[in-house]
Amino acid sequence: GENVEQHPSTLSVQEGDSAVIKCTYSDSASNYFPWYKQELGKRPQLIIDIRSNVGEKKDQRIAVTLNKTAKHFSLHITETQPEDSAVYFCAAILNNNDMRFGAGTRLTVKP
Amino acid sequence: EADIYQTPRYLVIGTGKKITLECSQTMGHDKMYWYQQDPGMELHLIHYSYGVNSTEKGDLSSESTVSRIRTEHFPLTLESARPSHTSQYLCASSDYASSYGYTFGSGTRLTVV
Repeated sequence: GENVEQHPSTLSVQEGDSAVIKCTYSDSASNYFPWYKQELGKRPQLIIDIRSNVGEKKDQRIAVTLNKTAKHFSLHITETQPEDSAVYFCAAILNNNDMRFGAGTRLTVKP
Repeated sequence: EADIYQTPRYLVIGTGKKITLECSQTMGHDKMYWYQQDPGMELHLIHYSYGVNSTEKGDLSSESTVSRIRTEHFPLTLESARPSHTSQYLCASSDYASSYGYTFGSGTRLTVV
């Protein structure tokens, strides 16, 4: 079955610095890779996604890159702000729409 | 507004009680899921459903059961709650045909004393 590995498990950065979270997946049939942000006490919410026919996607301060050959994808947050502090989950989805989540990264942005 | 709703938001019950956590979605999604999550930790899939009368067990062994009699409703039942069941339970849904992303409910924070 599909496995999704996510690193690091915790990440602390200074406000204004960049943060990078990396994920690898095992099933080459995976074709969709969403990222979820979960703030304390709230539900996970989709913040950006990328499909397997695209190598990079950007939305303001966040971007996701995908390397299909190496089977890894990354979330990049630039100019981090304290409100970026949350737990971030990567995921990979198969053709049947079943999703596998990474274990999560707790990002702390220090003011 | 089309969304996914979970009730109750918080629940404190005694050991041995039977409880049902409610989940309803108004998006017409085919697939629904239950995840168990300790705060800020990994999401563990405990049950899922591909449609009416379809239910499957997930990766995490669970003493709960689910039913899917109507498309919009996917309740989770614990026959006899134990302190080890204390956790947050998140319901999610997705559209099998056209959309890949999951929409999550706000969760039920369960405490068994």
